[in-house]
Amino acid sequence: ILNVEQSPQSLHVQEGDSTNFTCSFPSSNFYALHWYRWETAKSPEALFVMTLNGDEKKKGRISATLNTKEGYSYLYIKGSQPEDSATYLCAFHNTGKLIFGQGTTLQVKP
Amino acid sequence: DSGVTQTPKHLITATGQRVTLRCSPRSGDLSVYWYQQSLDQGLQFLIQYYNGEERAKGNILERFSAQQFPDLHSELNLSSLELGDSALYFCASSVDRGYGGANVLTFGAGSRLTVL
Repeated sequence: ILNVEQSPQSLHVQEGDSTNFTCSFPSSNFYALHWYRWETAKSPEALFVMTLNGDEKKKGRISATLNTKEGYSYLYIKGSQPEDSATYLCAFHNTGKLIFGQGTTLQVKP
Repeated sequence: DSGVTQTPKHLITATGQRVTLRCSPRSGDLSVYWYQQSLDQGLQFLIQYYNGEERAKGNILERFSAQQFPDLHSELNLSSLELGDSALYFCASSVDRGYGGANVLTFGAGSRLTVL
């Protein structure tokens, strides 16, 4: 059974704070690791796909790192803004199955 | 508009009935994924098709079936519906070739099914 764990489950921060979340996944048979941003009443939108150990991706104030040997990925948000409030999902790709974690819900207070 | 079209947006039906959810992938995408999101649950992987062929299967009930047609649109059929089947069903598409998984999914807006 493929299990993708995300922590913390939820996070409340003040505007301007930097924060990070963790995604843990099986370290065997790794194909790719995805991050998505899911705003309330909308559909998930892709942030990054990472395929190689040591990969680092950046998009504005959001960045992600990948460690396939130990089975984890970190998502960082620098200087959080209220519009960053959303649920952040990671997903582990294995032989055609893209398995999502439960997500980390971020609330940024102005 | 993401380019992935799902119909219907909302559907209310009774237990024991059968419904069909439809998904048109983004132009150029060959892979279609179906996910179920029940109340307080995350996205549960149901099934994936690539260019008309079933490629991977998740925890999809035997009462559910899916297919991808030559024009690449996909349908998810849900039969003998139970109250617990009430959920938001997402379709997503990708340019992925085969098992790679190196390309992002583009999600549709979802079809909300309510079983009464």
